[in-house]
Amino acid sequence: QSALTQPPSASGSPGQSVTISCTGTSSDVGGYEYISWYQHHPGKAPKLIIYEVTKRPSGVPDRFSGSKSGNTASLTVSGLQTEDEADYYCCSYAGSSKRVFGGGTKLTVL
Amino acid sequence: EVQLLESGGGLVQPGGSLRLSCAASGFPFSNYGMSWVRQAPGKGLEWVSNIYSSGTTTSYADSVKGRFTTSRDNSKNMLYLQMNSLRAEDTAVYYCVRDDSAWSLGVWGQGITVAVSS
Repeated sequence: QSALTQPPSASGSPGQSVTISCTGTSSDVGGYEYISWYQHHPGKAPKLIIYEVTKRPSGVPDRFSGSKSGNTASLTVSGLQTEDEADYYCCSYAGSSKRVFGGGTKLTVL
Repeated sequence: EVQLLESGGGLVQPGGSLRLSCAASGFPFSNYGMSWVRQAPGKGLEWVSNIYSSGTTTSYADSVKGRFTTSRDNSKNMLYLQMNSLRAEDTAVYYCVRDDSAWSLGVWGQGITVAVSS
C-alpha cells in the first residue's frame, strides 16, 4: 500500500488554471474508476470535491474538474480564487474496501 | 444535519490502548460503510480502516493491521476504533468518515487527536 505520488506544491495567480497530478499503479489508480479528490484547509475537516474520477458532489463549483489516463489522475482548478488555497489529496480505491491517498499537494494562490 | 462527532482521544504511553468513538447523526447510519482516516503531524492523510454497513466485514491498512479493530453498533449509531499496542507513529488526528458513492469519503468528522508518548 504505497502512497500515490503527488507534487508537493503547485501555484497560480487568481483567474488562472492549475492542474495537480496523482500517479499510482495498475493496482490502484489504473485499475479502478474510483478516484476521489479532497480539499483540506488546515484545522478543518477535509472536503470531498471530486469522486469517481470526474463527478462533483452537490455544491462543489464546476471550476473543479477531474480526469484520468492510465495510472495517473489529475485535478484541474480553473479560475483560481484565493479561497482555493489549501492542501489537495487524491485517493484511489485499491481493492478489498481499501483506499490509498496521495501525499498531498499544497496549492498556493499567488 | 449530517454530523459525525469523534471522542476518546488523548495522550497514551507507547504500548498502551485507546478506544475512539464516533457518534453519527442526521443520516441512516446502518445503510453506510464507515472509515477511519488519520493525519500525523506534518504529514498527509492516511486511510486506516473500513467497516461495511452490516459490520460483518472490516479492512485495515498494513500499518495498523493486527493492532487496531474497527466495530460499530447500528442500534446506537456508533462507530469505534480500538487501538492496541500503540506506537509513537500512531500519533495523529483521527477522522471518522462516511463512505459514499464509488468508495469516496463523503462526510468527515472534525477529528480527534491521539498522542502516543512517554
